[in-house]
Amino acid sequence: NAGVTQTPKFQVLKTGQSMTLQCAQDMNHNSMYWYRQDPGMGLRLIYYSASEGTTDKGEVPNGYNVSRLNKREFSLRLESAAPSQTSVYFCASRDGSLAVKLFFGSGTQLSVL
Amino acid sequence: QQQVKQSPQSLIVQKGGISIINCAYENTAFDYFPWYQQFPGKGPALLIAIRPDVSEKKEGRFTISFNKSAKQFSLHIMDSQPGDSATYFCAATSDRGSTLGRLYFGRGTQLTVWP
Repeated sequence: NAGVTQTPKFQVLKTGQSMTLQCAQDMNHNSMYWYRQDPGMGLRLIYYSASEGTTDKGEVPNGYNVSRLNKREFSLRLESAAPSQTSVYFCASRDGSLAVKLFFGSGTQLSVL
Repeated sequence: QQQVKQSPQSLIVQKGGISIINCAYENTAFDYFPWYQQFPGKGPALLIAIRPDVSEKKEGRFTISFNKSAKQFSLHIMDSQPGDSATYFCAATSDRGSTLGRLYFGRGTQLTVWP
């Protein structure tokens, strides 16, 4: 049982480069989320998808785009990476039966030079 | 504007001691308050959660205390162990309305338990 799988685990980009972070879940969850974690800032929501076909902005959406490809997959794209986007990115999914229980992936450590 | 305020930022406790982490919120629409635990290199995982209709919930050595009138809640870890060393996040959400499905996290507390 893989749960939530994120790729890649580590990535180094130069300013202005683009990349897509991939996320897939095998738990048949409807809702999926992208968070970023920065020291002393906690977990901040970037985008979320309440169900297949819908996406909504979170607290810090600027500089990011998302695609809910199907029920399993939710990708996060950085079109033109900036040093301020250096962070650890977590994807999560939620079982609709329990509002508070998110299942997180193991994260992507992204550095933008 | 931070929806959930958490303190302290870091906490050092001796083995066997009690660890206490506090959180406060303003939005009265919140009606479900979880705590997450995160070990280095891992994603956070749900530890325990409480509804505001009870003042306390206990699971093993972990207890949430909830004060609805003060809009505060806290995590107590009794008999703290080195294996409890992790980052703890409080959060708030609601089953309905504009906050449906969204968790608002505190900034985290890094707990270190010395042997």
